[in-house]
Amino acid sequence: DSGVTQTPKHLITATGQRVTLRCSPRSGDLSVYWYQQSLDQGLQFLIQYYNGEERAKGNILERFSAQQFPDLHSELNLSSLELGDSALYFCASSVDWSGGQEEQYFGPGTRLTVT
Amino acid sequence: GNSVTQMEGPVTLSEEAFLTINCTYTATGYPSLFWYVQYPGEGLQLLLKATKADDKGSNKGFEATYRKETTSFHLEKGSVQVSDSAVYFCALSEANFGNEKLTFGTGTRLTIIP
Repeated sequence: DSGVTQTPKHLITATGQRVTLRCSPRSGDLSVYWYQQSLDQGLQFLIQYYNGEERAKGNILERFSAQQFPDLHSELNLSSLELGDSALYFCASSVDWSGGQEEQYFGPGTRLTVT
Repeated sequence: GNSVTQMEGPVTLSEEAFLTINCTYTATGYPSLFWYVQYPGEGLQLLLKATKADDKGSNKGFEATYRKETTSFHLEKGSVQVSDSAVYFCALSEANFGNEKLTFGTGTRLTIIP
């Protein structure tokens, strides 16, 4: 158990809908990262938050957005869903900025299926 | 940009065989290198890491050495077990003003048969 929790575990929804994925980082971790794992794209970085502020953006679609709240949990919002958004979405957390040397702890993921 | 290239799988070995999974990288600076493992139905777990050239990361019998001259970080284990069956990801992190995103390889699925 990494200490990172994600809810829900599974989500099935229809095209055009909007969903919210939730992540609680390990106690004390200030950075939260979101990754998407799909068969065709592999594991891709979406976005990073550090202590409530957006730190970096990766290959995140405009239909997707995220935020980190004062209690440090984070939510990833996916809207106008398309079939191609079906994937496993991982949240990870790390303690602090440390020049890229710090381990990221991954949650169990949320499997999103868009029908 | 940064990239990681892993040997394609799937890889199937017999128990107690020697394992090598090749990983090479492209980066503009001096990245940290990682191997993560994903067991069926689970999230990723850090297996080992190396943060500078010639460092050797090791854990659970697995080893990988950071080779700057060949830009490689190959994963090795001398004697694999059935419990090592999983997907292995090579990754790098090159911090840039706090952006510590991981760039992953495509993953290598390893199956160990008794």
